[in-house]
Amino acid sequence: NAGVTQTPKFRVLKTGQSMTLLCAQDMNHEYMYWYRQDPGMGLRLIHYSVGEGTTAKGEVPDGYNVSRLKKQNFLLGLESAAPSQTSVYFCASSYSITRGVNNEQFFGPGTRLTVL
Amino acid sequence: SQQGEEDPQALSIQEGENATMNCSYKTSINNLQWYRQNSGRGLVHLILIRSNEREKHSGRLRVTLDTSKKSSSLLITASRAADTASYFCATSEGSWGKLQFGAGTQVVVTP
Repeated sequence: NAGVTQTPKFRVLKTGQSMTLLCAQDMNHEYMYWYRQDPGMGLRLIHYSVGEGTTAKGEVPDGYNVSRLKKQNFLLGLESAAPSQTSVYFCASSYSITRGVNNEQFFGPGTRLTVL
Repeated sequence: SQQGEEDPQALSIQEGENATMNCSYKTSINNLQWYRQNSGRGLVHLILIRSNEREKHSGRLRVTLDTSKKSSSLLITASRAADTASYFCATSEGSWGKLQFGAGTQVVVTP
């Protein structure tokens, strides 16, 4: 049981390059989330998904796209990277609140992205 | 915008001492959660307190919630060097799972 995994762990991009971050969970969670963490700012929600094929914007969605083709995977794409997207990116997942369980989130180890 | 704000931003204590950190929030909540983040790692869920609860314990952790003051506190008793980490509060408002995180309290426990 690996929990939430993220690929890659580190990446350096040049301005204008594109990349995709992959998140996978093996807990059969309905909900998945992408956050970015910047110094002194806590976690900010980029996009989230409440189920396969469904995504929605979070607090800071500009410059990012996401897809959830399979329940266990949630992809975050940067089409044209900018230095302002230098950050640590975390994926998380949780059960649907309709299950009647608590909405605690389980986090991946993070991807450290630098855009030059 | 952040819902929860932790206080203090940083805390330095010695092993065996208690560590207390506070979280204030702005709107009505369903529950409030505390997470720990070790350096370079992802967040780990510690404890959840519902809006109709006032206090909750888990091992050396004690959480209180005062909905009238829109505030919560996390107490770590008899701290250990392994408790060195950043601690975040997160509030759950709506009818589903989205959380809003504060900026965190960085705790350093020295042997």
